[in-house]
Amino acid sequence: GQNIDQPTEMTATEGAIVQINCTYQTSGFNGLFWYQQHAGEAPTFLSYNVLDGLEEKGRFSSFLSRSKGYSYLLLKELQMKDSASYLCAVRDGDYKLSFGAGTTVTVRA
Amino acid sequence: ETGVTQTPRHLVMGMTNKKSLKCEQHLGHNAMYWYKQSAKKPLELMFVYSLEERVENNSVPSRFSPECPNSSHLFLHLHTLQPEDSALYLCASSQEPTGGRTDTQYFGPGTRLTVL
Repeated sequence: GQNIDQPTEMTATEGAIVQINCTYQTSGFNGLFWYQQHAGEAPTFLSYNVLDGLEEKGRFSSFLSRSKGYSYLLLKELQMKDSASYLCAVRDGDYKLSFGAGTTVTVRA
Repeated sequence: ETGVTQTPRHLVMGMTNKKSLKCEQHLGHNAMYWYKQSAKKPLELMFVYSLEERVENNSVPSRFSPECPNSSHLFLHLHTLQPEDSALYLCASSQEPTGGRTDTQYFGPGTRLTVL
């Protein structure tokens, strides 16, 4: 089966940086996604990595190492509105996504 | 309306009831998905439709019955559910299941289902 691991919870201070790690063991690999989900809302797409390296998009960056089965999502200049659950998902074929259980990030003033 | 919409947003039903969840996407996508999200668990893929044809049925009990009448609409018919089926049911759509960045899945807000 597929195995996607990420920490359950993280807490950080407003203005700080937080790194959410995701490790995966899947039968195939065709891209890794990060989603943000606020309580009671839809998961929203944040980033996509299919090649090794860093993808930067404003305050958010995502890194991938395929050989290590590892990714991280970096959130910079944290804001209160960044308090949410962050989901790591691996596409192992044409369309099927396998998700981690999510990391709940709490930003404190 | 834009994006992916779902109705109802909240549903409480008894174990003998029949109800349906509705999903509509306004993105011009060709693939639609049903997921189940239980507390502290990963999203579980239930069904996938591509061009109105079911391409994935992820060992889901027959008390869940999907229907995709066209590429913009997806239903999940519920019958004789169990309390453990209480969860958030999320619908998603993507351009088409061919891989690549264009196949990013976009989610609706979900239906919070409680089975008594």
